[in-house]
This record gives sequence, structure tokens and C-alpha cells, in this order.
Amino acid sequence: DAGVTQSPTHLIKTRGQQVTLRCSPKSGHDTVSWYQQALGQGPQFIFQYYEEEERQRGNFPDRFSGHQFPNYSSELNVNALLLGDSALYLCASSKQGTDTQYFGPGTRLTVL
Amino acid sequence: QKEVEQDPGPLSVPEGAIVSLNCTYSNSAFQYFMWYRQYSRKGPELLMYTYSSGNKEDGRFTAQVDKSSKYISLFIRDSQPSDSATYLCAFCSNDYKLSFGAGTTVTVRA
Repeated sequence: DAGVTQSPTHLIKTRGQQVTLRCSPKSGHDTVSWYQQALGQGPQFIFQYYEEEERQRGNFPDRFSGHQFPNYSSELNVNALLLGDSALYLCASSKQGTDTQYFGPGTRLTVL
Repeated sequence: QKEVEQDPGPLSVPEGAIVSLNCTYSNSAFQYFMWYRQYSRKGPELLMYTYSSGNKEDGRFTAQVDKSSKYISLFIRDSQPSDSATYLCAFCSNDYKLSFGAGTTVTVRA
């Protein structure tokens, strides 16, 4: 049973560029959440997708956007990258109506 | 006041010791309480999940919740070097988003 997978593993971008991160949920899961984890901090909730709609959003600017596909996989897009966007981006999947979220290994984004 | 406060650590203990980790929270809407373990440069792994006050045991791990005091703890008995990791407390209300503590890094010395 494949767990949550994310790609790419690492990414280096420069300020002002745009980035797209990808996530495939655990088998049987239909809900995907994205979190940002800065070094030495706990993950911060960005947003959650269910039935291809953004259901919840944390305190992140509109530069952060997402998408969920019919196969439940998801993308996180960040525009106009800032140095402060450097972090580990985590995807978590769950089954609608349950609270247990399972995390992927993350994508480490470095903005220079 | 932060919504979640976690004892910052770091903690360094000898192998076989009991590790005690603590978090407090201020949001009364939190109904679900979790502990995640995160190894260096990896994603968080769910360790314990509970929704009621009291103790829940799973092997060497015990999660304790006190809703009246808004306080949760994780105890690791007979700690092993493989337990060396960052431990994150997490909370959830009915909105299905997790709120995390900042994490406590634990090192178990062989």
C-alpha cells in the first residue's frame, strides 16, 4: 500500500519565480491538505482540498494556490517567490469525515 | 497567547530513560489530540491519536490528555536511540485542519 508521495524532493528557485509541487494521496484517501514547515518550526496549514474544491484555507497570501484532480492528486503553486518561502512543504492525505492525516516526505524548497 | 505551546527542549536522555513531552493549548474547540514523530528531513509520522481525556497506551508510548487544564503529554518508556527525533503535538477541531506545536527534539544516548 503506497503512502503519500510528493515530488520533487528538492527544488531551488530564485526570487520572483513560480513553483509547482505535486502530491499523490494514500490509496483510499480523497482529501489533501498542504502545510509549510519552516526550519525549527511546526507545520503551518496552507489549505485543504476535497472534491476538487478548496475547503479550508490558512493564513497564507493569494500567491499560494492549489488544485485537486479527479484522481485526488493535488498541486501546490506558489507565485512571485520570496526568500521567506524557503521551507519544507508537506502534503497530508485523509479520508473525508476522518481526522487522521498521513504525511508525505515533503518537498524542500530553497529560494535564493 | 499562542494557540499551541510546546515545551521547546531539546531533551537529551540516556537509553532506557522515560521521556516526557508536554503541550498546552488555548482553543477550546480542539477535540482531537495527536502526537507525530518527525525524523530529520522526513515528513511527520502519526504516533498517537486520541479524543478524550485520560490515558491511551500503545506499546512504549502513553498519551495523556487533560481537557480541563488544556494540557497533553506524551511519555516514552524504555527509550531507545531509534526514538531520537522531533516530536510534534497536533490538535484538530471540526474544521479538519491541524494546528501544531513547534516541536521538541529528543536525543536518546546509547
